[in-house]
Formats: sequence, structure tokens, C-alpha cells
Amino acid sequence: ETGVTQTPRHLVMGMTNKKSLKCEQHLGHNAMYWYKQSAKKPLELMFVYNFKEQTENNSVPSRFSPECPNSSHLFLHLHTLQPEDSALYLCASSQRVGGNIQYFGAGTRLSVL
Amino acid sequence: DAKTTQPPSMDCAEGRAANLPCNHSTISGNEYVYWYRQIHSQGPQYIIHGLKNNETNEMASLIITEDRKSSTLILPHATLRDTAVYYCIVLDSGGGADGLTFGKGTHLIIQP
Repeated sequence: ETGVTQTPRHLVMGMTNKKSLKCEQHLGHNAMYWYKQSAKKPLELMFVYNFKEQTENNSVPSRFSPECPNSSHLFLHLHTLQPEDSALYLCASSQRVGGNIQYFGAGTRLSVL
Repeated sequence: DAKTTQPPSMDCAEGRAANLPCNHSTISGNEYVYWYRQIHSQGPQYIIHGLKNNETNEMASLIITEDRKSSTLILPHATLRDTAVYYCIVLDSGGGADGLTFGKGTHLIIQP
């Protein structure tokens, strides 16, 4: 138990569906992150939030839409995804933005058909 | 532009010490050595970090050479649950908003 909870753990969706990934951290951290991990590829940072404010968007396509209503919750809204978006989506938190000790959730394994 | 070099895979017998090497010959004075691991189908997990002194916590020990160009992560009594990919990364103390970047790491397999 890392203190970062992601739901759902697995998700299968069609290219026309809309779905959301949820992340919740119980660590009192101020920064939250979304990462993407594709098969055989390194971790890719997608979004960074600091005190609910987005501070980084690594040229992520608009079909991925993050939302951070408070410093404990983070969502990733998905719509009209492509099969190449199939991957493990990981949420992480740290005490401050750019903190080198990050706590990760178990991830959501997404398959786009 | 890899800052660290690790062997792609290692085996270790259950109950023995697992020693995972990492080379970071271009490390600069304000950069720390961090270790994370990722067990299959889970998120990465922070293990330990250090600057120049050896460090120990409940998970592992970190030995950094005097010239800081290499380090070794030691799992003193490896169990089957320690089978994972282990990542060694160097990061400066200021951090940044760029997130963590892992290389290919070492796939450690603990044999029963």
C-alpha cells in the first residue's frame, strides 16, 4: 500500500467511448503526476499538478484531459482514443513539484480496441 | 543521453544478498543517486537514495564509491517478492517539473 490509489485497475474501451481514470492520494502531498508506460518503452510524463494547478503538459494530445479538483484527487478523462494509446497509466504524488521521491499507484492497464 | 549504466539482468538465490551495480561516471556534485524498482504490473516504488555516504533503510543498503562514479544497491536477504526491474537514476537536489525518467534498469530474478 503506497498511499496512492488508482481506479479502475483494468479498462477496456472502444475508440468512441469516453471514460475517466481516477487517482487519490492519502499522503498530504502537494504535487500529483500522470505518467504513461507503454510496452517496452520508458516512463513518459504526461501532466504535473501543483496545488491543483497544472504546471506541465508534455505535448499530450487533447484526447487526454486531466482534472485536479483538489490536491488529493486527480482524474484523467479519455475520449476518442486510438489503439496506440493502450498502455499502463500511472499516477504519482510527491511532497512538492519536482520532488525526487514519488509515490506511485498500481496503475490502470488500458486497452483501446 | 544515458546518465547511468546498469546490467540488463541478474539472478540471485533466495535468501542470499542481491548486489545490483550502477555506473554513473558523469555524476555532478549536486546530484544524488536514487533507486526505484518496479514489480511486474505495479507502479514504481522508491527504495533509497544517497549523495556520497552509504545509506541503509528497512528495504536496502546503498554503497556509493568515494569518487561517486558508481554505486551498489544491496538487498541483504532477497526473497521471491524482490523479483523486479531495478532502476538507478541520478537527480539533482533541486528537482524539477520534468518528472522521473527511468532507463532500462536491471531485471533482477530471485531463484527459489
